[in-house]
Amino acid sequence: QQQVKQSPQSLIVQKGGISIINCAYENTAFDYFPWYQQFPGKGPALLIAIRPDVSEKKEGRFTISFNKSAKQFSLHIMDSQPGDSATYFCAASRPGNTGKLIFGQGTTLQVKP
Amino acid sequence: AAGVIQSPRHLIKEKRETATLKCYPIPRHDTVYWYQQGPGQDPQFLISFYEKMQSDKGSIPDRFSAQQFSDYHSELNMSSLELGDSALYFCASKRQASNSPLHFGNGTRLTVT
Repeated sequence: QQQVKQSPQSLIVQKGGISIINCAYENTAFDYFPWYQQFPGKGPALLIAIRPDVSEKKEGRFTISFNKSAKQFSLHIMDSQPGDSATYFCAASRPGNTGKLIFGQGTTLQVKP
Repeated sequence: AAGVIQSPRHLIKEKRETATLKCYPIPRHDTVYWYQQGPGQDPQFLISFYEKMQSDKGSIPDRFSAQQFSDYHSELNMSSLELGDSALYFCASKRQASNSPLHFGNGTRLTVT
């Protein structure tokens, strides 16, 4: 059973456009929700993370929107660039254990020039 | 900045052989996590160590074992290798503080033939 469900599986966006990736979780005990970016042959790299006490967090071109009642959160990439082309994973973890992550299935983003 | 170092980067083994993967965490990180990522899959938590003691266990086969040494580096030992063990194996490290983010290495690609 996938505890964190991610969509879409793949996404193609034009340069300068907005990329939106969505995740939904089941376990209301989760309290830490990071997004990781992974390039081929590399390990996942932390992009941005949020906790349930805020509804939005922005870092540069990356924004997380969080809806606690719906148990959903999303990543928005503004002004998408070809260099953003990668696989993106959302994840969740229980209190006190930000290292034991449950990942979504991943979204492969392609930004066309 | 120093990152998580994993060795070897690539490893080819035959069925029923053994393999040892090594991980050197970021300096001053006291907690190490191991993840397995199959082709096109999301990373799955295997096992973690804090201060040289196993702190949590996930979907790690009984054929696998791991330990953390006094210098905080960790090794994942895999025996009786099966074709299905072919995957990327990531080590990640963090400080034990609950809000400390997880940093991944670039992984070891294990191919079992």
